[in-house]
Parts: sequence; structure tokens; C-alpha cells
Amino acid sequence: EDKVVQSPLSLVVHEGDTVTLNCSYEVTNFRSLLWYKQEKKAPTFLFMLTSSGIEKKSGRLSSILDKKELFSILNITATQTGDSAIYLCALTQGGYSTLTFGKGTMLLVSP
Amino acid sequence: NAGVTQTPKFQVLKTGQSMTLQCAQDMNHNSMYWYRQDPGMGLRLIYYSASEGTTDKGEVPNGYNVSRLNKREFSLRLESAAPSQTSVYFCASTGAGLGGDTQYFGPGTRLTVL
Repeated sequence: EDKVVQSPLSLVVHEGDTVTLNCSYEVTNFRSLLWYKQEKKAPTFLFMLTSSGIEKKSGRLSSILDKKELFSILNITATQTGDSAIYLCALTQGGYSTLTFGKGTMLLVSP
Repeated sequence: NAGVTQTPKFQVLKTGQSMTLQCAQDMNHNSMYWYRQDPGMGLRLIYYSASEGTTDKGEVPNGYNVSRLNKREFSLRLESAAPSQTSVYFCASTGAGLGGDTQYFGPGTRLTVL
């Protein structure tokens, strides 16, 4: 079964809207959760979260982790067409260096 | 500083042909990874190399082999390509320590097997 579940799988919003993307997980020995943005090519790193309740912020994007309820959210405010992409959530466990990815959320921002 | 590079960018194979995808990183990273990405499936780990001289299977290793040639290079080989291996392949690398959870990706190879 899936260890990392992202929702929604896709959504369409208008420019200027605020969106919230969700990532829930169920794993043992959680170590970190990462968010990536993927446009036409390779995923690019956005945030890494290890502690509950501490918001990471970069411009209009922010993310927070809840280790008790086992989820993370990625917020994008005042969306722009350039935010259109697939947003990927991934996590690491224990002493392993590997990432386990969710299926991603495809975001389309219409003008 | 090119980061992670992959060759080729595109490839078309016939069923049964073999090929090797090349990956190199210039960030002095210890760990390297090969993923495949299919529509609606996210990224799935094929093989990884935690350090030079070691390789391990990931989630979907069947039909693939890998070689960690040195610290910089990690290649993925398809011995007898099948249509089910049509996908986009990404190589990634990461350094050491907690910050090493951040993986840096190459531009990808789009492979079609007819």
C-alpha cells in the first residue's frame, strides 16, 4: 500500500487564488519530508521538514509538518501561471538515504 | 558546476535491444539514485548506490542493472528492453548528513521501447 499519499491528484485554479496541497504518510522511523516542484523537466527542491509546527517559507510558498497527525501541507498564495507544475512530496526513513515519493499533485493555474 | 548530467536525453529502442544510460555528478556526493517516472505514478526508485562500491535494489529493479563506476558516475543498463520500460528516467545524487536528504536531479532521459 502507498506510504505517501498526496491530495488532490490535480486541480485547476485561477491566477491570484491560494492553494493548499496535502501530503499524508504512514511509515516507521520517519526522518524528513521533502517537497519538490516539477515543471517540464527534473524535480527541483523546495523544502525539507523535520520538526513539527515549524513553518518553512520561500516567497509565496510555505510548508509545515505535523508529525502527530502524519501530514504536511504546501501553501501557495497569490498563484501565478508559473506555479503550474507537478508538486511532489517525498520522505526519508531511518538510516536510509532513499526517498519514497507520493504520486504528486498536478496544479494548473489559469490566467 | 554542472550538477547532475545525464545522457542521452532521448532514445528509441526496439524490443530486445540493450542500452546504457549514463549519469555523472560534480558535487562530490556520496549517494546516487536511478528513478523512473510514469504518468500518474510519481517517481519510483530502481537502484541506488549509497557510496562508491555499493549498489542496492529499489522498488522496481527487475530488468535493470547498475554500475557505480567511480564516485562521480552511476550508469543504468537495460539488457533486453521491453515496452514496459518506456518511461522517463532520472538520476539523482545527494551528499552526507541530514542536509543530504535533499536529492538533486538530472534533466532526465526519455526512453521509448517499441
